[in-house]
Formats: sequence, structure tokens, C-alpha cells
Amino acid sequence: GENVEQHPSTLSVQEGDSAVIKCTYSDSASNYFPWYKQELGKRPQLIIDIRSNVGEKKDQRIAVTLNKTAKHFSLHITETQPEDSAVYFCAATPTTSGTYKYIFGTGTRLKVLA
Amino acid sequence: GAGVSQTPSNKVTEKGKYVELRCDPISGHTALYWYRQSLGQGPEFLIYFQGTGAADDSGLPNDRFFAVRPEGSVSTLKIQRTERGDSAVYLCASSPTSQSIPDTQYFGPGTRLTVL
Repeated sequence: GENVEQHPSTLSVQEGDSAVIKCTYSDSASNYFPWYKQELGKRPQLIIDIRSNVGEKKDQRIAVTLNKTAKHFSLHITETQPEDSAVYFCAATPTTSGTYKYIFGTGTRLKVLA
Repeated sequence: GAGVSQTPSNKVTEKGKYVELRCDPISGHTALYWYRQSLGQGPEFLIYFQGTGAADDSGLPNDRFFAVRPEGSVSTLKIQRTERGDSAVYLCASSPTSQSIPDTQYFGPGTRLTVL
């Protein structure tokens, strides 16, 4: 089945710097890759997603890139702010099962230092 | 509109007891998912409903876990003979449809289950 690895597990950056989180997946049939932000004790919230027919997607300070050949995708946050501090999860959606369940990575705890 | 809601927000029970966790999806969403999130981990898939039927229950860890969605809206996750290892946050998510392409899943706040 699908397996998603996420790195790094923790990331500290200075306010204003960029942050990059990387994920790899194993199932080449996966075709949808959402990223969720989860603050302590809160629900996961979608921040950006990308489908396999697109190589890059950007939304203001957040961008996601996808390399289907290498089976990896990355989250880029520019001009980080203290409110970006949270745990970020990547996910892949294997399509062979037909249920579009998400397979999540283990998460990256991002700390933005003021 | 209202998002996905889950009740209770916290549940403390004793080992061996039975618990029910409830999920109210976004109105009109036909797809409903249950996930379990252990401390420091990503959510782990349990079961998926399309309408009233459980289309994929491959993530349920054993036969102590069962879920229903009798009218295609509210879902209940039921855990029998709870064990300490069942302690986790149980998340519910819904999406408009999941029959043709993957769709964004909207998560509820979760129920934190603690088994003493």
C-alpha cells in the first residue's frame, strides 16, 4: 500500500525566512496531494493541494511543487510569520482502492522565531 | 456554513467499556471518513462511507471497532471492550463526493479518547 515519508520532523526558522518541508510517496497511482496545518488541539486545516497533472501551485506565501517521476512533493512557505508556527502534514491519495482515503506523513513541527 | 462537528470533544473511559463517538458532517457531503491520530503522528485512516454504506473499512484495527451511517449523514464510531492502546484523537472528515476524483476533506475538531 501507499507509504508517505515526511522530513524534517521539526523545523525552526527566523521570522521572514523561508521554510521547506518535503514528502515522498510510494504509490505511483496517487494523484492528489493535500497539505494540512494543525495547531495544537485544533482540527487539521487544508492550506494548499496539488493534483498530479500540475507541477507547481502557488497561493500567496505558500507554494507546493510535485515531481511525479521522483514521487516527491514539497511545501514552501516564504516570508514566514509567527502565526505559521504549527504542525504541517502532507498526504497522498492512492487511487487504486477507489476510496480516496488520505495517507498522511508523520508531520513537521514548524517554529517561527520572532 | 457549519463545519464538521464531533461529540463529545473529550471522552474518558475505563478499560473494557464501550464507547460511541459521533460525527456530523457538512450538510450535503456524501463522503465521510474516520481517522485516528496518536500523539505526534499523522492521522491514520480507519473507515470510509459513501452515502450509507461503508465502502472501505480496511483501516479498522480489529473487530472491536465498528461504524455506522444509517441515513447517510451522521456517523457513529463504536468501540467495544476498550483497551489503553485505543487512546487517541479520533477525527472525522467529510467531502462533497469521492466517486470519481479525490476531493478535499474537511476535518472535525476530533474526539480525544482516553482509556484508563
